[in-house]
Amino acid sequence: DVQMTQSPSSLSASVGDRVTITCRASQSIGGYLNWYQRKPGKAPELLISATSHLQTGVPSRFSGSGSGTEFSLTITSLQPEDCAAYYCQQSYTTPYTFGQGTKLQI
Amino acid sequence: QVQLQESGPGLVKPSGTLSLTCTVSGGSITSYNWWTWVRQSPGKGLEWIGEIYHSGGTSYNPSLKSRVTISVDKSKNQFFLNLSSLTAADTAEYFCAIRTSSPTIKFDPWGQGTLVTVSS
Repeated sequence: DVQMTQSPSSLSASVGDRVTITCRASQSIGGYLNWYQRKPGKAPELLISATSHLQTGVPSRFSGSGSGTEFSLTITSLQPEDCAAYYCQQSYTTPYTFGQGTKLQI
Repeated sequence: QVQLQESGPGLVKPSGTLSLTCTVSGGSITSYNWWTWVRQSPGKGLEWIGEIYHSGGTSYNPSLKSRVTISVDKSKNQFFLNLSSLTAADTAEYFCAIRTSSPTIKFDPWGQGTLVTVSS
């Protein structure tokens, strides 16, 4: 299986800050990397697909980058509603695997 | 906007079988080709369980393959998860989701999840 390692596991930041979450794959996955946001009691939401493709309706303060084995999710100008857990996922090969998650506190 | 909702028992006994239903509303399940299940154990990350194709073909996580069955009833706009030989390690929040492949594979949308506890 492709192991996905996310860091940090938790993060505390302030409104207006810029934060970056990183995700490392145990082998090259090309650009087949997705990012999801999970708020308590709500369905996980797809934020970014294929490393950097922002989904419709997702604020432009979210961005993704990377390739091969190193990827990152950046949130600029943090907002209170960004308080959530964030997960990366590789869709390069089955079994599809996720990172352990990053809990972001504002 | 299509929505998904999981349903099923919140408590199941060890060695028993878990049966969950995912109901798709706001659109036809046949608008999509792949339907998938994911779970999250307490304090752990997300784990892909498996998926079913519109033709009935399935793909399962090897770690669960011997115990998992995913099926679909298109007439009811529902798909299903059966997980047998349960242990406490199967205690988790279970999610259903649509898998799309255009242009790359991703899960969107998801259901809100249903918590399942395995305990006697």
